[in-house]
Amino acid sequence: DQQVKQNSPSLSVQEGRISILNCDYTNSMFDYFLWYKKYPAEGPTFLISISSIKDKNEDGRFTVFLNKSAKHLSLHIVPSQPGDSAVYFCAASGWGGGADGLTFGKGTHLIIQP
Amino acid sequence: ETGVTQTPRHLVMGMTNKKSLKCEQHLGHNAMYWYKQSAKKPLELMFVYNFKEQTENNSVPSRFSPECPNSSHLFLHLHTLQPEDSALYLCASSQDQRSSYNSPLHFGNGTRLTVT
Repeated sequence: DQQVKQNSPSLSVQEGRISILNCDYTNSMFDYFLWYKKYPAEGPTFLISISSIKDKNEDGRFTVFLNKSAKHLSLHIVPSQPGDSAVYFCAASGWGGGADGLTFGKGTHLIIQP
Repeated sequence: ETGVTQTPRHLVMGMTNKKSLKCEQHLGHNAMYWYKQSAKKPLELMFVYNFKEQTENNSVPSRFSPECPNSSHLFLHLHTLQPEDSALYLCASSQDQRSSYNSPLHFGNGTRLTVT
């Protein structure tokens, strides 16, 4: 049973608009959430994270929102740029849990259209 | 050279072959990992090494054998694989294994393995 779900395999957004990628989780013990970005033929790279004591974390064009009651987080990219086209993975772990405790979603392929 | 380097980038092997995947990290990290990414599946953790000691074996079949001679190098030895083992194998490192909060994973570019 998947504990981290990214229900949209792909998302197409026009350049300059907002991209919203969603992630749901089922394990209430998860306390720390990360987003990774992956280009073809490259490994995933860490993008942004949020701990359960916050409901928002912002880094430049990227903002992650956490709704603990709904067990839902989202990644907002504003404005979307062509270089943002990639696969985005959501991951979660328990607080203080090691990187070996990370659970990944299947990923969402974001396509930014010119 | 910086980051996490994996070789080879692509590998095709028969079911009776023996091959090895190599990973090297230049980040001064103490923990190294092997992940498997199959089509339409989440990243699956296979093995974890922390300070050269194996701390996790995620029910991986014995036809996959990891080796970590030091904190900078990690190998995955492959023998008598099955076609369903075809996947992207990713190596990763982190400062330590203890907390993903302070120590995000740094991934290599992966080895695309095809078993024929």
